[in-house]
Amino acid sequence: EADIYQTPRYLVIGTGKKITLECSQTMGHDKMYWYQQDPGMELHLIHYSYGVNSTEKGDLSSESTVSRIRTEHFPLTLESARPSHTSQYLCASSESGTSSYGYTFGSGTRLTVV
Amino acid sequence: GQSLEQPSEVTAVEGAIVQINCTYQTSGFYGLSWYQQHDGGAPTFLSYNALDGLEETGRFSSFLSRSDSYGYLLLQELQMKDSASYFCASGQKVTFGTGTKLQVIP
Repeated sequence: EADIYQTPRYLVIGTGKKITLECSQTMGHDKMYWYQQDPGMELHLIHYSYGVNSTEKGDLSSESTVSRIRTEHFPLTLESARPSHTSQYLCASSESGTSSYGYTFGSGTRLTVV
Repeated sequence: GQSLEQPSEVTAVEGAIVQINCTYQTSGFYGLSWYQQHDGGAPTFLSYNALDGLEETGRFSSFLSRSDSYGYLLLQELQMKDSASYFCASGQKVTFGTGTKLQVIP
């Protein structure tokens, strides 16, 4: 079944640790995105990619980095986690061209940095 | 840049009809989408309007007026499971609205 997967679902980690949030999709979508969302708040775009070896920063400044070596995989890395990074991180993908089908979101990673 | 404004909360009775508004300011227009998000869940795509008018999908309808930079989501025959947050979204790099928390009461 075509879908988008995020791991881990929940992560509690100490300050200063390096972490990578995984995102994979099986739909063959060229476009992939990372959003950050605090509870009850709006989604903020932090990174996006329109294809392999293409990555751009979004509207919300973030200390994270991303890579897109394979179409299906779009991991997000924090080199040194801080309490201010505590949030939910949502990965999404979409087809190129028309927006008629919208984004498909993963289940998200709830990150807590202590 | 883009900004999309929505009412923060709406309460409606089960079985009733509710309208959630969205006003936007965008540099260029790329259609208006709507998403539903239950607490603790991921957003799910509901509808998309590229042109003015009403799009109907079951109990949900979405309306767009490009001349007014305005759209709305209409939910009919409300059910308790419709209690969720609803976001409008637009833009080439999709920007989400401020979100509306809908509470459906018996």
